[in-house]
This record gives sequence, structure tokens and C-alpha cells, in this order.
Amino acid sequence: DIQMTQSPSSLSASVGDRVTITCRASQTIDIYLNWYQQKPGKAPKLLIYGASSLQGGVPSRFSGSRSGRDFTLTISSLQPEDFATYYCQQAYSTPLTFGGGTEVEIK
Amino acid sequence: QVQLQESGPGLVKPSETLALTCTVSGDSISRYYWSWIRQSPEKGLEWIGYIHYSGDTKYDPSLQSRVTISIDTSNNHFSLRLDSVTAADAAVYYCARRGNWGLASYFDFWSQGTLVTVSS
Repeated sequence: DIQMTQSPSSLSASVGDRVTITCRASQTIDIYLNWYQQKPGKAPKLLIYGASSLQGGVPSRFSGSRSGRDFTLTISSLQPEDFATYYCQQAYSTPLTFGGGTEVEIK
Repeated sequence: QVQLQESGPGLVKPSETLALTCTVSGDSISRYYWSWIRQSPEKGLEWIGYIHYSGDTKYDPSLQSRVTISIDTSNNHFSLRLDSVTAADAAVYYCARRGNWGLASYFDFWSQGTLVTVSS
């Protein structure tokens, strides 16, 4: 199975901050990496697919990038509604696997 | 707008079978792959498996001996069956659509999630 390691597991930030979350795959997954946002009691919501493609309706302050097996989700200017938990997910091969999550908290 | 809604018991006894159904509205179930995913504090998000109306089915190997996903195109729903449950199967269960853009695939529509407790 492909292991997805997210870091950090949590972070504290203020409104307006630039936030970066990293996900490393245990083996090559090409560009097949997705990012989701989850708020308490809700289902995950797709933000980014194919490492860097923004899902329709998602604000442009969210962006994704790839460097080899390392993937990054960036929020350019954190907004109050962005406080949530973020997950990466590899779509390269089955079993499909998720990272452990990064909780973004209010500083 | 695509909507998915699970139905099924929220309480299952140990060693019995967990059975959930996901009804899809706003889209034909024959157009995509459809997945079950679960989430627990202990294991996080876990993909269980997916199904296509053609019969193509894939399961997580760790669950393969106990899981069956089936599809009913006439009623636009798909179902999950997990046999011989234990406390480790307690989780919030989601159904989701696997969308795709070229070779990239992703879960673009999710159900609200249903909590399944395993207890006698």
C-alpha cells in the first residue's frame, strides 16, 4: 500500500496568514494526489485534484503543487472559514489511501 | 446537483453484518464509479472499495474477505455489506462519487455520513 505522510499534524495560524501543508507519498504517485477540507460533523470537500487543479467553486487562495513525491497545499491568506482539517489522498493505485490529516486552528 | 444519501442501521452487533445503501440523485449511477469510505478516530479516513455499473469492483485487500459492494442501476443506488463486524469496524461511513478528469480521479461528491456503532 502507498503510505501518505502529512505534516504537520496540526498548526495554529491567524487570519491573513499564509499556510502550507505537506504530504509525502511512500512511492511515486505521479500527479495523482487530491486535497480535501473537512469541518466538524461534515463530509470531506474536494479542494484540489491532480496535484494542482482547483475544483470548481473553490476559492483561488487555495493552491497545490508537486515536487517529486512531495506535495504541498497552500492557503495564501487564511480566512475564518478555512479553519478545518485538511487531508491528502493518493489516486495512483488501489488501495486508495489518505494522509492522517492536518488540523488548522485559530491562533 | 448530485446528492448521495446513506440508509441503514446505526447499530450492529458484533459478528453480524453491516449493511448500508447509498441512494444517488441528480445523476445516473451508470456514469461513474461509486465508493464507500469510512472514518474513525483510530484509523482516520479509509477507502473500502468502489463499484462501476459494468460490474468492475475493487476492494481494500484488508477488508476483501468480508466486504461486498453491489449496484442497482434501476433504483440508482449502491450498497455495502460488511460481514463479521467487530468493534474495529465502528466508524462514520460515507458513500462518494469518484469523478475524473483525464486520468486523474477524485471523490467529488460525498454523502453526509452515517455513524455505525458495533455493540451487543
